[in-house]
Amino acid sequence: GAGVSQTPSNKVTEKGKYVELRCDPISGHTALYWYRQSLGQGPEFLIYFQGTGAADDSGLPNDRFFAVRPEGSVSTLKIQRTERGDSAVYLCASSFSGTGYWDEQYFGPGTRLTVT
Amino acid sequence: ELKVEQNPLFLSMQEGKNYTIYCNYSTTSDRLYWYRQDPGKSLESLFVLLSNGAVKQEGRLMASLDTKARLSTLHITAAVHDLSATYFCAVVRYNFNKFYFGSGTKLNVKP
Repeated sequence: GAGVSQTPSNKVTEKGKYVELRCDPISGHTALYWYRQSLGQGPEFLIYFQGTGAADDSGLPNDRFFAVRPEGSVSTLKIQRTERGDSAVYLCASSFSGTGYWDEQYFGPGTRLTVT
Repeated sequence: ELKVEQNPLFLSMQEGKNYTIYCNYSTTSDRLYWYRQDPGKSLESLFVLLSNGAVKQEGRLMASLDTKARLSTLHITAAVHDLSATYFCAVVRYNFNKFYFGSGTKLNVKP
């Protein structure tokens, strides 16, 4: 079956520009997560959606970062006024419920963002 | 804030040798995961460990969990080149849904 997909796979943008990163979760998964992975580091949690609502956005670094999931499926991570420090791989993951003890997160291939 | 530390960060080993990767975490956790990541690829789930004393094995990899010591180990037996990758442990507290990842261990198995 189809896994988590993310587009674009690579994005190069200039400092100060706006970018949108898209995530298509596994069909039927109600929970969706965004992570940021800097070079040589483990993924860092950004935000978690349960359905359409952001259940936990404590990992968003500042107000330039925003994410939406209007219909409870596809999610978009939006970054305003990009900075060079935003360069990283942005990973999306989904899970069946987000609340089950056995719940497991399935990761997408990531979007590599480079801010020049 | 839950902190996860892995060591070593880099590991170069010969084929056929055994080695262990360690994952320490700072506060009580209900679940611990091990992932593999190949260069330019996403994370592949290897093991989920749910209780104290849990041990899981798949091929040349064996993972264990000691919740009292807040320690998990990933043991590699008779390493082969195909195991070269970066291995991450991740810890999550029940109902919190945030995964806290270690920095990863980059394993290079030399033929």
